[in-house]
Amino acid sequence: QKEVEQNSGPLSVPEGAIASLNCTYSDRGSQSFFWYRQYSGKSPELIMFIYSNGDKEDGRFTAQLNKASQYVSLLIRDSQPSDSATYLCAPSTGFQKLVFGTGTRLLVSP
Amino acid sequence: SQTIHQWPATLVQPVGSPLSLECTVEGTSNPNLYWYRQAAGRGLQLLFYSVGIGQISSEVPQNLSASRPQDRQFILSSKKLLLSDSGFYLCAWSVTREAFFGQGTRLTVV
Repeated sequence: QKEVEQNSGPLSVPEGAIASLNCTYSDRGSQSFFWYRQYSGKSPELIMFIYSNGDKEDGRFTAQLNKASQYVSLLIRDSQPSDSATYLCAPSTGFQKLVFGTGTRLLVSP
Repeated sequence: SQTIHQWPATLVQPVGSPLSLECTVEGTSNPNLYWYRQAAGRGLQLLFYSVGIGQISSEVPQNLSASRPQDRQFILSSKKLLLSDSGFYLCAWSVTREAFFGQGTRLTVV
């Protein structure tokens, strides 16, 4: 079983819609969860983090965490073409060692 | 503010040649440092991480090595490159929980 699993996509949504990105992880000791966005050919940039069960909102982004189910998700409201990128999920597993999923490619069409 | 410098941005090297990639962090002390590799169309693979000077943890047996001669300097090396070493190499740092990435080095081994 992979440590972090994400659907590779592409996930296609029309502009203005809600994009839902999902991630499951295997290490129950994971305490911190991060979402990174990576544009093609660029390095990843941090967009959200969540530590506690439940929802955390930041602008158009909402991260959701369910530790019992080992599941974390990212919702993007009012999706824009500029949101088209690969979204990487990364649980932290001790010594702040981030293990990344393979990412979900999101395509937002105008 | 903290910044991370990684160079060179692109590199083309022949098979069997040595490699040295350098990463430096400014504006923080005693960061955790990481080297990741991303093969074309693939996820981020953690290669090495370091929690202090001279302390290196290797995640994947391979043709590479890492060193941390100074607190804010992290070096990735190889004595003889293989074709399979091609990829996008990313250095990252963290102090609290989240990690921040350098701009990356795109290495092509020919």
